Amino acid sequence: GAGVSQSPSNKVTEKGKDVELRCDPISGHTALYWYRQSLGQGLEFLIYFQGNSAPDKSGLPSDRFSAERTGGSVSTLTIQRTQQEDSAVYLCASSPRSYNEQFFGPGTRLTVL
Amino acid sequence: GQQVMQIPQYQHVQEGEDFTTYCNSSTTLSNIQWYKQRPGGHPVFLIQLVKSGEVKKQKRLTFQFGEAKKNSSLHITATQTTDVGTYFCARGSTLGRLYFGRGTQLTVWP
Repeated sequence: GAGVSQSPSNKVTEKGKDVELRCDPISGHTALYWYRQSLGQGLEFLIYFQGNSAPDKSGLPSDRFSAERTGGSVSTLTIQRTQQEDSAVYLCASSPRSYNEQFFGPGTRLTVL
Repeated sequence: GQQVMQIPQYQHVQEGEDFTTYCNSSTTLSNIQWYKQRPGGHPVFLIQLVKSGEVKKQKRLTFQFGEAKKNSSLHITATQTTDVGTYFCARGSTLGRLYFGRGTQLTVWP
């Protein structure tokens, strides 16, 4: 079946612009996670959704970052006024429910010039 | 805290040698998950351990959960070039999210 999909796969933007990243989880998965991974680094947790609510948004680096999930399915991660340090791969993962294995999407590579 | 410490950060082995990565916590873990990320790829779930002293095997991979449920290990016997990648452990939390270790990056020389 279809896995987690993310779009765009690559995004190049200029410093100061806003970007929106999209995640389509596996159908029926109630838990959805966003992570950030810089080159050669580990996984930095950003936010977690259970259904449409976000029990844990403690990982969002600043108020320029926000995320929403509608209909218990698609999620968007928005970064306002992008900075060069925002350049990274943004990974989305979904899970049938919390505590289960996570299925990762291919990621969106964001480059801020 | 909630973090898990993973060692070593890097490991270089000759093909055919064994490899082990360790995951340690200062607090008792309810469960531990292991993931593998190939270069340029995304993390892929390998296994979840739940029971104290649990040992699970997947072909050449052996996963262990400590008796005190504060540590875990992943051992690969006779590494192959296909084993190259970064191996992450992750602990669960009461809120439902996972706390990932920093990972062990494995390089295998042919």
